[in-house]
Amino acid sequence: EVQLVESGGGLGQPGGSLRLSCAASGFTFSSYNMNWVRQAPGKGLEWLSYISSDGTTIYYVDSVKGRFTISRDNAKNSLYLLMNSLRAEDTATYYCTRWGSTGWGDYWGQGTQVTVSS
Amino acid sequence: QTVVTQEPSLTVSPGGTVTLTCASSTGEVTIANSANWFQQKPGQAPRSLIHSTSTKQSWTPARFSGSLLGDKAALTLSNVQPEDEADYYCLLYIGGVQVVLGGGTKLTVL
Repeated sequence: EVQLVESGGGLGQPGGSLRLSCAASGFTFSSYNMNWVRQAPGKGLEWLSYISSDGTTIYYVDSVKGRFTISRDNAKNSLYLLMNSLRAEDTATYYCTRWGSTGWGDYWGQGTQVTVSS
Repeated sequence: QTVVTQEPSLTVSPGGTVTLTCASSTGEVTIANSANWFQQKPGQAPRSLIHSTSTKQSWTPARFSGSLLGDKAALTLSNVQPEDEADYYCLLYIGGVQVVLGGGTKLTVL
């Protein structure tokens, strides 16, 4: 069974940092491209970042470029999102998603909540 | 910057049929945009329903279908059930690995 489990969310200070993790199981993680998506409270989904299966190709949405860093450790079956220079508008639930053979976002984690506040 | 537009809200009666659409600010949505559709119920993560415009996931009920309708991508729900009440999001590929998500449609079954 494919599983994606996010962790690392919580309360972050404005200007501070948080590191999110996504633990993958039930599939060959190193063969799949991955993405991070977020959803602010009461709002729609926003794609944030993409990383290729081997980690060599990375993209970001403009709103997080230069502040967020996506990475992966295929040996640990894990995806990461390092969030620096946090802003109040980064408050959201953050999801990792798999880009699989059955489409973009064929599997999603349950999400981890990030609140940025002093 | 491509903007993907969906109806903000739709209402359908149980047993009825409803079509949700997904439009691109750059023009006609085609097969190349490979529309994906997701369902999200309150308090839950999104779930993939349709990929590659019209291909259902193994768990997608038969009453859901994806297509191109005019210059838009479309998700049609037939014989709507109360449990279909949810937010629905479309996603379009706009080039390479770049994707854009629509703003979502809140579907009410009433």
